Amino acid sequence: ETGVTQTPRHLVMGMTNKKSLKCEQHLGHNAMYWYKQSAKKPLELMFVYNFKEQTENNSVPSRFSPECPNSSHLFLHLHTLQPEDSALYLCASSQDPASDEQFFGPGTRLTVL
Amino acid sequence: GENVEQHPSTLSVQEGDSAVIKCTYSDSASNYFPWYKQELGKGPQLIIDIRSNVGEKKDQRIAVTLNKTAKHFSLHITETQPEDSAVYFCAANFNTDKLIFGTGTRLQVFP
Repeated sequence: ETGVTQTPRHLVMGMTNKKSLKCEQHLGHNAMYWYKQSAKKPLELMFVYNFKEQTENNSVPSRFSPECPNSSHLFLHLHTLQPEDSALYLCASSQDPASDEQFFGPGTRLTVL
Repeated sequence: GENVEQHPSTLSVQEGDSAVIKCTYSDSASNYFPWYKQELGKGPQLIIDIRSNVGEKKDQRIAVTLNKTAKHFSLHITETQPEDSAVYFCAANFNTDKLIFGTGTRLQVFP
């Protein structure tokens, strides 16, 4: 048990749907992250939040919209996705953004039809 | 640019043999280098990390070495076991606010 939970574990959506991924950490960490994992780019950083403030947006298309209402919760809102967005989306948290162990959730397997 | 290269992409070894995975990084200011293991259906999990003030760190069968001058670091697994089979990722920190991961190495240990 890593202390980082993600829901749902699997999601199938059409290109016109709107859905949200949820991440919750029970570790008291200050930083949270979204990563995209696919065959082409195994662990691609998308967003970084530190103390609820977004500190990194790695050129992610606007059809992905993150939200961090508090330091324990992180959302990824999805709308008008493309089939190439199908991937495993991983959430992680750490005490410090770049010098401490990141704890990963199990991921959400997203399929866009 | 921010880049971490990892080799090999796949590695097959016989049980009991050693396995070595190598990574290079681009930013000389990087000072934190973790290694993660990802098993099927799970998120990556930290197995060992090293900071720039040491050249080597060991934890039972796992060791990591760092050469800051050459900007490369390596993971060494000795006496491999079938349960070591997984995908391994190296990473390096950049700009004090993120980790950049290598492309991963799929390790298979045959009994």
